[in-house]
Amino acid sequence: KNQVEQSPQSLIILEGKNCTLQCNYTVSPFSNLRWYKQDTGRGPVSLTIMTFSENTKSNGRYTATLDADTKQSSLHITASQLSDSASYICVVSPYTGFQKLVFGTGTRLLVSP
Amino acid sequence: NAGVTQTPKFRILKIGQSMTLQCTQDMNHNYMYWYRQDPGMGLKLIYYSVGAGITDKGEVPNGYNVSRSTTEDFPLRLELAAPSQTSVYFCASSSQDNEQFFGPGTRLTVL
Repeated sequence: KNQVEQSPQSLIILEGKNCTLQCNYTVSPFSNLRWYKQDTGRGPVSLTIMTFSENTKSNGRYTATLDADTKQSSLHITASQLSDSASYICVVSPYTGFQKLVFGTGTRLLVSP
Repeated sequence: NAGVTQTPKFRILKIGQSMTLQCTQDMNHNYMYWYRQDPGMGLKLIYYSVGAGITDKGEVPNGYNVSRSTTEDFPLRLELAAPSQTSVYFCASSSQDNEQFFGPGTRLTVL
């Protein structure tokens, strides 16, 4: 069964610190892997999209990495800000169809002043 | 561009009532989707559409219906609301297998 698992479930860090969120998936083969940020009460917003051949993709202070061999991805947030407090969702698009996206349950990040 | 808009933002229904969740996008995307998000769970696809007049079932379609008469609009219909349909509903759109743009969501409670 295609699954996406994220860890940790929740995380609290101090403003200005770095953090790394993990994503493990069993979806194979896959077309691309996406990271979304979801603020409380809002819809998810795309941060990065990586194809299976890409190892890293950055978007400002957000850097995603992908290891297709071990089926792992990570999202690294540098110099965290209060506005980074949100849920971060890992999503894998199977090669068999974009309409069958597999969503992780997310990591809830709280950046504390 | 307003992006993807959804109405209403909140709604409380009684068991057995019906309602339509509205979704409109102004990005001329062919692909549109309806998801539900339950607490502690990943988003689940209810229905999707690859263009006007074309719709198909997702992972959890039971209890819902959709239509796509125009490129811009993709309403979701609940005919006989049940407590199991209490959830947050998100509409999204995209151009083929690209980034999906999500609306702000509709929080539905069925009592």
